Amino acid sequence: DTEVTQTPKHLVMGMTNKKSLKCEQHMGHRAMYWYKQKAKKPPELMFVYSYEKLSINESVPSRFSPECPNSSLLNLHLHALQPEDSALYLCASSGRSEGRETQYFGPGTRLLVL
Amino acid sequence: KQEVTQIPAALSVPEGENLVLNCSFTDSAIYNLQWFRQDPGKGLTSLLLIQSSQREQTSGRLNASLDKSSGRSTLYIAASQPGDSATYLCAATPFSGGYQKVTFGTGTKLQVIP
Repeated sequence: DTEVTQTPKHLVMGMTNKKSLKCEQHMGHRAMYWYKQKAKKPPELMFVYSYEKLSINESVPSRFSPECPNSSLLNLHLHALQPEDSALYLCASSGRSEGRETQYFGPGTRLLVL
Repeated sequence: KQEVTQIPAALSVPEGENLVLNCSFTDSAIYNLQWFRQDPGKGLTSLLLIQSSQREQTSGRLNASLDKSSGRSTLYIAASQPGDSATYLCAATPFSGGYQKVTFGTGTKLQVIP
């Protein structure tokens, strides 16, 4: 199983809402990532959890809050977002597979902030 | 800082043509070079991954090559089909930092016309 799953597929929220994005993998990977991708742009790394240790991209605003309840799950909590935060949010995981480090991406959550 | 460039940004070809997508990178100290396919509003699908020690990888009608000395990778698609229409991204993963420091190219949007 080389699948990374993400829920929900689509999310529409107002600027005062609190919502969460969820990501799950069962490949035994110990590193998980959140990326943000705007239209016609490459993905930008937001957060990394590696062996449950968080690395933060310091340019990411505090209205985005990651959480890693266990090594298979990764959440992204959203609060007081702005319309410019509308984007595709991609989750990924990485680990050793057939002797090499490989990264796998989920299908993404398309977020619209009104 | 690694920079990854993809040329052309967009490409339109008739069905059946063989085509080449280009990816250039400035820092040759890479762990691997990966090619992804992305359909509109969807996640990244890994097509081919070339390790630093390899020169090429093949999967079906796809062939990717890597020349670290010149800082180039190419993705060759044989006998293109309308289903190949998508955006193709390359991504360079460095030895130092691994997937936490992966750099994506800006992509080539491919349209295969029936």
